[in-house]
Amino acid sequence: LAKTTQPISMDSYEGQEVNITCSHNNIATNDYITWYQQFPSQGPRFIIQGYKTKVTNEVASLFIPADRKSSTLSLPRVSLSDTAVYYCLVGDPMDSNYQLIWGAGTKLIIKP
Amino acid sequence: GAGVSQSPSNKVTEKGKDVELRCDPISGHTALYWYRQSLGQGLEFLIYFQGNSAPDKSGLPSDRFSAERTGGSVSTLTIQRTQQEDSAVYLCASSFPGQGSEQYFGPGTRLTVT
Repeated sequence: LAKTTQPISMDSYEGQEVNITCSHNNIATNDYITWYQQFPSQGPRFIIQGYKTKVTNEVASLFIPADRKSSTLSLPRVSLSDTAVYYCLVGDPMDSNYQLIWGAGTKLIIKP
Repeated sequence: GAGVSQSPSNKVTEKGKDVELRCDPISGHTALYWYRQSLGQGLEFLIYFQGNSAPDKSGLPSDRFSAERTGGSVSTLTIQRTQQEDSAVYLCASSFPGQGSEQYFGPGTRLTVT
């Protein structure tokens, strides 16, 4: 399983773009990158998944460089409600252990 | 439609007692997961059910922990002879077949062992 490294915490302000980077130096050929968001007292919620280059949905964008050893979750124009913990997961969707190993995530605090 | 539900939302029990935690997955989801989350930590995998296959119990921390899934739907996580270190939030998730599929989480059960 590819190990992931994320910052423990980040601060930003309303209206700013926030970028959270995840390092995964040992990512394997078949591995995908998935991000989840967790609000206090709730279970995690899927945000976005990608394999290479750029993926965008209504919530976020995911940027993956050519070597795939890192990825960046980009949240445009954040609001106070984006304060949450963000988890980066890397693994082969066909691997029986995919998504079963979660790190501590990045605690994002948005200030007014 | 209904999401994943868990009950109870909170459970306070005395050390040494047994507890049962319940999870109702989303209809049609054949995969079901149990995780444990201690304060400020990431999720710790406990057990995984997929259809009628034998469950993956590799994450269960001790033989005091067990889980069942009846009829491929509702699941119960049982902790026997609870210890204070069992205090945590227990999260259940379900998904379509294939562990790469998006997991849908319930709100969790907060267990406090006194």
